[in-house]
Amino acid sequence: AQSVTQPDIHITVSEGASLELRCNYSYGATPYLFWYVQSPGQGLQLLLKYFSGDTLVQGIKGFEAEFKRSQSSFNLRKPSVHWSDAAEYFCAVGALSGSARQLTFGSGTQLTVLP
Amino acid sequence: DAGITQSPRYKITETGRQVTLMCHQTWSHSYMFWYRQDLGHGLRLIYYSAAADITDKGEVPDGYVVSRSKTENFPLTLESATRSQTSVYFCASRAGDRGVYEQYFGPGTRLTVT
Repeated sequence: AQSVTQPDIHITVSEGASLELRCNYSYGATPYLFWYVQSPGQGLQLLLKYFSGDTLVQGIKGFEAEFKRSQSSFNLRKPSVHWSDAAEYFCAVGALSGSARQLTFGSGTQLTVLP
Repeated sequence: DAGITQSPRYKITETGRQVTLMCHQTWSHSYMFWYRQDLGHGLRLIYYSAAADITDKGEVPDGYVVSRSKTENFPLTLESATRSQTSVYFCASRAGDRGVYEQYFGPGTRLTVT
């Protein structure tokens, strides 16, 4: 069965600093990988996705992620964090489970941005 | 408005009561999902539906019932609520095209069972 691990429960960075959120997945085949962001009191919004091709994918809000098959990782990065980036971030892997293509989510990383 | 909506946004109920959470989407997506979000667990799938009148269990289905008589609606019922069902519930949907995985989420319902 597929699984996703986000090793960092909580990360704090200063505004303007760079950011990297870690995600490791376990899946036997080529994974479909996603990053979602959840602002306080809101639903999840898709930041970016990887299906195939270029291993560096660009998303919304200036985020990017790099797929590294050898490390089973899909880390999320941003060169300069803004205060509005404070939120919870979820990594997910898509896989065929039962009769449907489903997403399995990590437990999330809470990002705090200091002024 | 187009999109996916959930109601109510907040609900407090007592142990043993029946409660229904509503989910409505306007995209005509074939697939719909219910998740619960608990601290330290991320999102866990409760039930999903591939089309009207087709539903299937997810990771944590016990204590929940779903139905889908119309494509756009996917209600989740807790037949006899327990304190362990205090959680934030998210509904999601996606198109049924081959190779499509990404899901689109509603704003969530925060349920407290006292």
